[in-house]
Amino acid sequence: DAKTTQPTSMDCAEGRAANLPCNHSTISGNEYVYWYRQIHSQGPQYIIHGLKNNETNEMASLIITEDRKSSTLILPHATLRDTAVYYCIVRVLYNAGNNRKLIWGLGTSLAVNP
Amino acid sequence: DAGITQSPRYKITETGRQVTLMCHQTWSHSYMFWYRQDLGHGLRLIYYSAAADITDKGEVPDGYVVSRSKTENFPLTLESATRSQTSVYFCASTLAVTYNEQFFGPGTRLTVL
Repeated sequence: DAKTTQPTSMDCAEGRAANLPCNHSTISGNEYVYWYRQIHSQGPQYIIHGLKNNETNEMASLIITEDRKSSTLILPHATLRDTAVYYCIVRVLYNAGNNRKLIWGLGTSLAVNP
Repeated sequence: DAGITQSPRYKITETGRQVTLMCHQTWSHSYMFWYRQDLGHGLRLIYYSAAADITDKGEVPDGYVVSRSKTENFPLTLESATRSQTSVYFCASTLAVTYNEQFFGPGTRLTVL
């Protein structure tokens, strides 16, 4: 079962920041939050990940609440090419920590409008 | 071309037939994965492989067989296809289990009639 919940869909104006929320209230202390996106008819693409601290890279920023029960992915200046389904994912450990797997949710369909 | 490729991109088959989906990566990544994507579900892991000749089951392995005789190839076989296996299948690879990013192929859309 998915460990994350996200809005089904969101809209954003081109050039504005897109803020995509995610709830992961049952996350454990050693489980990371990952974000991937999937542009129509393509394979998913990694965006960013984090554990406790906020993270930023060339694509996006990830803000994780202090209690780690939720996070927000921020695309600072959305473009039409950012229209995609965005997945908030929890990476869990199993086999005594020797293996890791991604637990995918249903994602948020983001439409960036001109 | 460098990267991860899947073939065929589209496949229609009939119930009971054997089907093999191919996955090839040029990065020499150790880990490879097979996922399926269905409406109403997130991506679900079918099988994964940590290296050549090492494979393990994921969340939904029933009805599927994998092999990995070479690092760069990870074929997925449906031994006797069923309609419930109609789905989009994605192959992915990553350098190591501790590596953060999985690289996905373009997917194979399989329809079982």
